[in-house]
Amino acid sequence: GIQVEQSPPDLILQEGANSTLRCNFSDSVNNLQWFHQNPWGQLINLFYIPSGTKQNGRLSATTVATERYSLLYISSSQTTDSGVYFCAGGQGGGADGLTFGKGTHLIIQP
Amino acid sequence: GAVVSQHPSWVICKSGTSVKIECRSLDFQATTMFWYRQFPKQSLMLMATSNEGSKATYEQGVEKDKFLINHASLTLSTLTVTSAHPEDSSFYICSARGGAKSGYTFGSGTRLTVV
Repeated sequence: GIQVEQSPPDLILQEGANSTLRCNFSDSVNNLQWFHQNPWGQLINLFYIPSGTKQNGRLSATTVATERYSLLYISSSQTTDSGVYFCAGGQGGGADGLTFGKGTHLIIQP
Repeated sequence: GAVVSQHPSWVICKSGTSVKIECRSLDFQATTMFWYRQFPKQSLMLMATSNEGSKATYEQGVEKDKFLINHASLTLSTLTVTSAHPEDSSFYICSARGGAKSGYTFGSGTRLTVV
């Protein structure tokens, strides 16, 4: 199966700062998503982005499929952005599950 | 958007007993659902793929006789942890895909504690 590598593993920032999280894949993927896991464990879907660029408010993501990586940008960070961010990918269609990276633990300090 | 409901949110059981977790797709039909497990401070690991009307497919290292999966309808998959032991204590999360271009939606998870 594919390997998913996320960086950095930990990130501590002041409120208002911008951040970039990276996800590298060992092989090409057909499905790619970014999630935010809140303190209660709920996985919040941020982006479904197997290729291209998407934006949603202060968050945006870019996937360069040919180079097998994806980036998640968080601008003007708020304390509520704290938590663990996961990227996950899959090579198959809807019948295949996702392989998750180990996550980036983001702490936004007031 | 696609909504996946998972119950219970948390459960405490005695060692040796069995626990059933339900995963429902509320506003779409899912021929395939997925079960993941997450240990504290670790990532999610795919355990098995649940196929409506047929046997589940288990990932390597996952005991199919311990983790029984039933997908009897297009909107319901269940995971039964049989003869649970403390090492089975974990966070179990189900997932399904609402459409070809919509990505995967996850349930809210079940925190299982075996005492």
